[in-house]
Amino acid sequence: DTEVTQTPKHLVMGMTNKKSLKCEQHMGHRAMYWYKQKAKKPPELMFVYSYEKLSINESVPSRFSPECPNSSLLNLHLHALQPEDSALYLCASSHYEGLDFTDTQYFGPGTRLTVL
Amino acid sequence: RKEVEQDPGPFNVPEGATVAFNCTYSNSASQSFFWYRQDCRKEPKLLMSVYSSGNEDGRFTAQLNRASQYISLLIRDSKLSDSATYLCVVNVFGGSNYKLTFGKGTLLTVNP
Repeated sequence: DTEVTQTPKHLVMGMTNKKSLKCEQHMGHRAMYWYKQKAKKPPELMFVYSYEKLSINESVPSRFSPECPNSSLLNLHLHALQPEDSALYLCASSHYEGLDFTDTQYFGPGTRLTVL
Repeated sequence: RKEVEQDPGPFNVPEGATVAFNCTYSNSASQSFFWYRQDCRKEPKLLMSVYSSGNEDGRFTAQLNRASQYISLLIRDSKLSDSATYLCVVNVFGGSNYKLTFGKGTLLTVNP
């Protein structure tokens, strides 16, 4: 089973709203990722959590705030977003046995976010 | 040189055709490579992993040439359901974790 789930599927929010995206996996994976994907572009890495600790932040603006409450869950808190933040937000997870180059990422279905 | 470069496409082929996609990467230290397919408005799904010289899975064959820093994906006997964007992905060590670096993708349309 390589299932990563994400909620909600779609989200429309105003620039003053606060919302959260959720991601869950039950594969025992120890690394989880947030990506942003604009139309007709490849995914862009935002954050990486390894063993529930933030290990990579790709210089993402502070209006995006990740959180990893436990090894199965990953949240992305959104506040004061801009219309250009509208995109597909993808969560992924991987087994991550330390520095293993065979580590494979599996993606969730994504949340399609529209900022008005 | 971009980190991962792919054929820009799009590719339009008839059912049953054989189609090949090419990809080059710039980081000679890269050790693992993937092909993902992405359907319109869906998530990327892993198609194949490539760690040594190549990998074959049914109609799909991936080949790796480390000397030329080149990866290819061959699809034989194309089906309508193969229509998707194919992403060439290279796993690059980023200091504390491996990170996926994506090519821009190649759009394939298989026509009846």
